[in-house]
Amino acid sequence: DGGITQSPKYLFRKEGQNVTLSCEQNLNHDAMYWYRQDPGQGLRLIYYSQIVNDFQKGDIAEGYSVSREKKESFPLTVTSAQKNPTAFYLCASSITGRIGDTEAFFGQGTRLTVV
Amino acid sequence: DQQVKQNSPSLSVQEGRISILNCDYTNSMFDYFLWYKKYPAEGPTFLISISSIKDKNEDGRFTVFLNKSAKHLSLHIVPSQPGDSAVYFCAATPILYGKLTFGQGTILTVHP
Repeated sequence: DGGITQSPKYLFRKEGQNVTLSCEQNLNHDAMYWYRQDPGQGLRLIYYSQIVNDFQKGDIAEGYSVSREKKESFPLTVTSAQKNPTAFYLCASSITGRIGDTEAFFGQGTRLTVV
Repeated sequence: DQQVKQNSPSLSVQEGRISILNCDYTNSMFDYFLWYKKYPAEGPTFLISISSIKDKNEDGRFTVFLNKSAKHLSLHIVPSQPGDSAVYFCAATPILYGKLTFGQGTILTVHP
């Protein structure tokens, strides 16, 4: 079955440690996105990539980094520079960067808790 | 600067009645709008969309209305069912840009 997979579902890390969240899709989608969900703030875009080896900052990129070495994979690293990393992280993909053509498909999310 | 706003954090409706979820936007470059439904600890799933060339789009029990002059869209669910209880996000994008901007979400509770 085609889909978008995030792992792990729950992640705990100590303050000051970097952590990498995985996102893999087998939908042959060109574009991939990372969003963060906080209560009362909806989904905010962290980074997005419309093509392999290229990515752009979203609205809240500070303290995060990404890579897009393969079409299928778009890992997100939450660095120690991120002031408030505890959140629910969502990865999404779409066929092209033109979401007007089709909707974005989301993964199940990763709940990151920093203690 | 919240470009997409859902001003009602929650909505409670009786089963069988109509649910109306509202969304306002400020960016005149937005020309494609989507609604997503989200259950706790899961990713959002696409529900329905509308482009700016239309003012209404229907899909079964779900209808989205767009008022471009007021920069307002709404999602109507008729009849509402308990299984519709979830968080509903509206999202917007300029078609040629492809980056979704989401509202804060509205928690819909449908009571049996």
